[in-house]
Amino acid sequence: LAKTTQPISMDSYEGQEVNITCSHNNIATNDYITWYQQFPSQGPRFIIQGYKTKVTNEVASLFIPADRKSSTLSLPRVSLSDTAVYYCLVGTIDDKIIFGKGTRLHILP
Amino acid sequence: DGGITQSPKYLFRKEGQNVTLSCEQNLNHDAMYWYRQDPGQGLRLIYYSQIVNDFQKGDIAEGYSVSREKKESFPLTVTSAQKNPTAFYLCASSPRTDTQYFGPGTRLTVL
Repeated sequence: LAKTTQPISMDSYEGQEVNITCSHNNIATNDYITWYQQFPSQGPRFIIQGYKTKVTNEVASLFIPADRKSSTLSLPRVSLSDTAVYYCLVGTIDDKIIFGKGTRLHILP
Repeated sequence: DGGITQSPKYLFRKEGQNVTLSCEQNLNHDAMYWYRQDPGQGLRLIYYSQIVNDFQKGDIAEGYSVSREKKESFPLTVTSAQKNPTAFYLCASSPRTDTQYFGPGTRLTVL
């Protein structure tokens, strides 16, 4: 299983774009990159998933360079409600999914 | 209304007692998972099941047991052998992709 490394915490301000980078140096050929968001006392919620290049949906974008050894979750124009823990996961459907400690994002007014 | 449900939301247990946490899904997902989360920590995998009547241990299975008799249900029993069971327990299900859908969680407190 590819191990992921992401910052423990980040602070930002309302209205700004936030980028959270995840390192996964030993990502395998078949691995996908998935990001989840978790609010206190709730289960994680799927945000976005990608394999290579760029993926965008209504809430976020995911940038993956050609070597796939890292990925960046981009949240446009964050609000206070985006304060949460964000998890980066790497794997396939046959893997045990490993959640690390994630990145605690704190949005300030 | 499709989804994954967990009950109860809060559960209190006396030391030495077994307790069973419920997890039900009507999403027709093949795979189901149980995780434990301690304060300020990430999720740790307890057990997972990729098909009915089959399940595998995760990273912290000691003191826990599961069954998967029906596709929709994956109950977790916290036994008296689990020395520090107070935690937030999360159940998830997944179709044959690597995206998991989580329930609302059960917070277990040992008195």
